[in-house]
Amino acid sequence: SYELTQPPSVSVSPGQTARITCSGDALPKKYAYWYQQKSGQAPVLVIYEDSKRPSGIPERFSGSRSGTMATLTISGAQVEDEADYYCYSTDSNGNTWVFGGGTKVTVL
Amino acid sequence: QVTLRESGPALVKPTQTLTLTCTFSGFSLSTSGMCVNWIRQPPGKALEWLALIDWDDDKYYSTSLKTRLTISKDTSKNQVVLTMTNMDPVDTATYYCARRMANYAMDVWGQGTTVTVSS
Repeated sequence: SYELTQPPSVSVSPGQTARITCSGDALPKKYAYWYQQKSGQAPVLVIYEDSKRPSGIPERFSGSRSGTMATLTISGAQVEDEADYYCYSTDSNGNTWVFGGGTKVTVL
Repeated sequence: QVTLRESGPALVKPTQTLTLTCTFSGFSLSTSGMCVNWIRQPPGKALEWLALIDWDDDKYYSTSLKTRLTISKDTSKNQVVLTMTNMDPVDTATYYCARRMANYAMDVWGQGTTVTVSS
């Protein structure tokens, strides 16, 4: 079955840039989506269609996709950005969706 | 305002069938491009996509779980139902439903319902 691969953890100092990668064989032709999940809460959409930000999401969150990799970038990370981040996409047929394994972002 | 709320049993026994209901408001599942997804998350683990049903009654399932899952909708009641057969303790998780727009983004999620599988 299709898989998306993320690093388990990323650490960054406040004000610095955090980059979270997501790799998958179908990503050259399929959009990536990113979700933020804080402890005990439901996930929140932070990036859709690779690089678009929903209303209310701070500009420091950005996304990109190149080849088999999608990247979520947090520019000027804040303490409140500490959370788990999941990429999400579909297989080449577009019928089965998957999440990456998640990346825990620590800001300290 | 778009809201979704999951409901169902908090405890099921191994081998039983789980039935979860997602009741939503603020949108119609008859609208072209609209879908409702089910996602779960075992304690301390990653999100796992389970199934979706769209406005045209097309249904899609996780490859690994498709033999155990059935998704259906009642548009008049604004509800989507997910059944999972042959429950096992490894199915213990928080189960979420989420709206998906035509751009494939799941933009609104329910708060989740916790299901424990234990004898």
